[in-house]
Amino acid sequence: GAGVSQSPSNKVTEKGKDVELRCDPISGHTALYWYRQRLGQGLEFLIYFQGNSAPDKSGLPSDRFSAERTGESVSTLTIQRTQQEDSAVYLCASSLLGLAGTNTGELFFGEGSRLTVL
Amino acid sequence: GQSLEQPSEVTAVEGAIVQINCTYQTSGFYGLSWYQQHDGGAPTFLSYNALDGLEETGRFSSFLSRSDSYGYLLLQELQMKDSASYFCAVKNSWGKLQFGAGTQVVVTP
Repeated sequence: GAGVSQSPSNKVTEKGKDVELRCDPISGHTALYWYRQRLGQGLEFLIYFQGNSAPDKSGLPSDRFSAERTGESVSTLTIQRTQQEDSAVYLCASSLLGLAGTNTGELFFGEGSRLTVL
Repeated sequence: GQSLEQPSEVTAVEGAIVQINCTYQTSGFYGLSWYQQHDGGAPTFLSYNALDGLEETGRFSSFLSRSDSYGYLLLQELQMKDSASYFCAVKNSWGKLQFGAGTQVVVTP
């Protein structure tokens, strides 16, 4: 597709259930990012994938959160045993080149997956 | 670690000029970006500074001083459609992009 695609756009789940959120980046983009945005708040960094290198997982808030990426394509963010504080919009973004040595910082964002935990 | 500070809200009238400051602390700094986000929408890229100085893109300009760990976004000839949240974001040498908490810009008639 032309842009970053995320699914589902909305997810309502019960506390304690597991959820999977999917991100299809722009074709050819080597860098992929996940952010969390609570209502009225900023973007909280979760995880960053760059090509085939080990991902930067420094933003994952707990071991209930994990993410995978297959090569330079689809990524899945999994939240296990969801809690009410996990309710937020989860934003995925991709970039053509993420490493230093490029002179662009442009990320292309998807529309997000809105997660509501009851 | 990384930290960024920007004002939480700025209000101005149509046609005015607004400056949003951003100070940062980070290791391995590589560049400073600015993003705009309207309510309910996805963030969209506005500008990027890797070197000191001013970058101008239409009504928006962005400035960076690496020695002061400081940058700003300048919005000129404000329009109602400019009402949105504006985020600064620092990029490190590894490519990780960390965002500030955002500045809500309210444009009044």
